[in-house]
Amino acid sequence: ILNVEQSPQSLHVQEGDSTNFTCSFPSSNFYALHWYRWETAKSPEALFVMTLNGDEKKKGRISATLNTKEGYSYLYIKGSQPEDSATYLCAFSNNNDMRFGAGTRLTVKP
Amino acid sequence: EAGVAQSPRYKIIEKRQSVAFWCNPISGHATLYWYQQILGQGPKLLIQFQNNGVVDDSQLPKDRFSAERLKGVDSTLKIQPAKLEDSAVYLCASSLGGAGLDEQFFGPGTRLTVL
Repeated sequence: ILNVEQSPQSLHVQEGDSTNFTCSFPSSNFYALHWYRWETAKSPEALFVMTLNGDEKKKGRISATLNTKEGYSYLYIKGSQPEDSATYLCAFSNNNDMRFGAGTRLTVKP
Repeated sequence: EAGVAQSPRYKIIEKRQSVAFWCNPISGHATLYWYQQILGQGPKLLIQFQNNGVVDDSQLPKDRFSAERLKGVDSTLKIQPAKLEDSAVYLCASSLGGAGLDEQFFGPGTRLTVL
């Protein structure tokens, strides 16, 4: 069974705050870890795909780190903006399956 | 590049009725996925096609759900008859290949409400 846990479930921050969330996944048979952003009424959009332990990826104000040995990934948003409001999903894949977490719902207040 | 298209965007039906969803993947993408996302949960894979063959349908409730991708392009997902617990967003995604590294491109989803 592939359990992918995300925390927190929801988060409310003020514009300009920096924030981070966690994705926990099984540390065995790791293949890749994906992060998606899903805005309301839109399609989920891929942010990162990460494969190597210690990997760090960055796209603008958003970055992610990966620890495959202990089974977690962090997503960071620096200087949150209202347009960052969305659900952030992580998905873990081994050789056979890809399983999503339930997501972290971020609301950024202006 | 056109994205993954899905229709309808919203559907409200009564329990025991039938419903069908349609998906047009990105041109040239061999792999197509249908996910069910129930409120408060992550998307759950229902079925994965590679061209017009089924790769994985282990989590598809086959007594009421069916899916096809006859020509290896468009796909339809059907529920017959619907139950209250089928209320969810049904997401279609496509990728070039089917490997774990391949980026999946998602459609906007169909929000189904079963009354």
